[in-house]
Amino acid sequence: GAVVSQHPSWVICKSGTSVKIECRSLDFQATTMFWYRQFPKQSLMLMATSNEGSKATYEQGVEKDKFLINHASLTLSTLTVTSAHPEDSSFYICSASPTSGRNEQFFGPGTRLTVL
Amino acid sequence: EDKVVQSPLSLVVHEGDTVTLNCSYEVTNFRSLLWYKQEKKAPTFLFMLTSSGIEKKSGRLSSILDKKELFSILNITATQTGDSAVYLCAHQIQGAQKLVFGQGTRLTINP
Repeated sequence: GAVVSQHPSWVICKSGTSVKIECRSLDFQATTMFWYRQFPKQSLMLMATSNEGSKATYEQGVEKDKFLINHASLTLSTLTVTSAHPEDSSFYICSASPTSGRNEQFFGPGTRLTVL
Repeated sequence: EDKVVQSPLSLVVHEGDTVTLNCSYEVTNFRSLLWYKQEKKAPTFLFMLTSSGIEKKSGRLSSILDKKELFSILNITATQTGDSAVYLCAHQIQGAQKLVFGQGTRLTINP
């Protein structure tokens, strides 16, 4: 149980294009999902907290107009990197926290984004 | 500002050795401290610690929290090559679910 998937697992795009990454909780409902970014050999940095049915809460320094988050259902959150640039190349990981109230986060397998 | 600092950043040992990984934190309103293991992809959960002095064990891994001195350690005994990974420590504050991660310790176990 408590499986989180991400799609795609790997994407390469041209500079200036937009890329959408999906995060799904497969066997539980998640009111809250989190999006992290991880640069090579660095730790996970929280980008934003995504709440179902409401606007995401972004961490300081994260541009909300560049990283669009939508959490339209209890099992799906999406992160869209708009007008991607090479410096956006990174490993993006989501996590989901069960609505049942358990204080846990289950991580997805991550999406590696490479912007050329 | 809340932060988590791990040490060492990198550690190389031989199979069979015992290792201790350190995590210190500064947080305004502590809720829990968590340890994760990250190999190539997403972190996998190891332990959640909320109370001081209570050791949590899972096989060869164990962890303990000291809320007075604001640190936690993760011990791995009889290390195996499969223990090679980045070990991440994170804290969670009261009233929020988000996690603040440390830099991680890259552990390499040589045969």
